[in-house]
Amino acid sequence: NAGVTQTPKFQVLKTGQSMTLQCAQDMNHEYMSWYRQDPGMGLRLIHYSVGAGITDQGEVPNGYNVSRSTTEDFPLRLLSAAPSQTSVYFCASSYRAGRNTIYFGEGSWLTVV
Amino acid sequence: GQQLNQSPQSMFIQEGEDVSMNCTSSSIFNTWLWYKQEPGEGPVLLIALYKAGELTSNGRLTAQFGITRKDSFLNISASIPSDVGIYFCAGHYYGGSQGNLIFGKGTKLSVKP
Repeated sequence: NAGVTQTPKFQVLKTGQSMTLQCAQDMNHEYMSWYRQDPGMGLRLIHYSVGAGITDQGEVPNGYNVSRSTTEDFPLRLLSAAPSQTSVYFCASSYRAGRNTIYFGEGSWLTVV
Repeated sequence: GQQLNQSPQSMFIQEGEDVSMNCTSSSIFNTWLWYKQEPGEGPVLLIALYKAGELTSNGRLTAQFGITRKDSFLNISASIPSDVGIYFCAGHYYGGSQGNLIFGKGTKLSVKP
């Protein structure tokens, strides 16, 4: 069972570069989201989607774009990477938003130099 | 934005001891969730709570949804070395988007054999 799959696992970027973190789930989940995790800060919500074609901002959306053209995929784009975006990124999904178990991917470690 | 205050930040205990951690908020929550994260992995759901006063167990873990709906606690009985990790509370607050699951900053648990 694949569950929630994130790629790449590790990435080093130069300031100003753009890149896309990929997230795919094979559980037919409607809800998908992206979090970033920084030391001492817990997990903070970047963007989320409650279904294909619908996205919304979370707590820390600046510098990131998302789209949800299919149920399965929810890519996170860094438009112009900054050192402040050095973090661990987690994609998560659940059957529906709200009272359903949320499954997390294994994380993507991003360093911006 | 809404905040969850999780305490303690870290705990160093002896194997066999009981552990207690809690989360509080100034806002009312509709759901409380407790996750565990091990190094290099994404968070894994331990217990989900959906009603005020609800008390739920999962093996040696017990969690309760506070009567005021503004707090929750997690207890671990007879700790063992594999309990080591970071424990996060999370929840959906009343009046917020169901897509907006927010997290506490975590309790780092260390268990000495």
